Amino acid sequence: EAGVAQSPRYKIIEKRQSVAFWCNPISGHATLYWYQQILGQGPKLLIQFQNNGVVDDSQLPKDRFSAERLKGVDSTLKIQPAKLEDSAVYLCASSRLAGYSTGELFFGEGSRLTVL
Amino acid sequence: QKEVEQDPGPLSVPEGAIVSLNCTYSNSAFQYFMWYRQYSRKGPELLMYTYSSGNKEDGRFTAQVDKSSKYISLFIRDSQPSDSATYLCAMSEGAQKLVFGQGTRLTINP
Repeated sequence: EAGVAQSPRYKIIEKRQSVAFWCNPISGHATLYWYQQILGQGPKLLIQFQNNGVVDDSQLPKDRFSAERLKGVDSTLKIQPAKLEDSAVYLCASSRLAGYSTGELFFGEGSRLTVL
Repeated sequence: QKEVEQDPGPLSVPEGAIVSLNCTYSNSAFQYFMWYRQYSRKGPELLMYTYSSGNKEDGRFTAQVDKSSKYISLFIRDSQPSDSATYLCAMSEGAQKLVFGQGTRLTINP
């Protein structure tokens, strides 16, 4: 079974520029998550999709971050304009079911963003 | 006060030692408790999952949850160099978002 795929793995941009990350979840997984992991911290949920609908985006900085999951499969996360504090690893995860009754989130390897 | 507190370490122990990792939390509504392992430059992977209070054992790993004290632990017996990683505790109320601890960086020295 193929895992969660993310690209690009690394990205370096200047502040105020824009960047987009792509995620393809495990086939058949209905729920997709984007997490932000700042160096030395645990992952923080940015947005959760159930199929192609948003379940939770309460911690997404909506003035600069946007995400979509068209057709309920792959997803993109965009940052525009980027700030220095956006430097982090952006992790995509998927799960077969909604909620955390099994705790089984499958994470991709992440996209590491450096904002200069 | 953070919802989930975890000592970031780093923690360094010799091979074969018993390792104890801990987290405390403030939200009494948390019911699902997990431990994830994250190797350098990789995504987290689920190691242990526990519902409500009690113990769960899987090979060399034992997870304990004490809801009365709002305290969870992960024990690693006969630690191996391959156990060197960052260990993240995580918890949720159920359908609500997963809240992670800061992570503890663990090194097992041969």
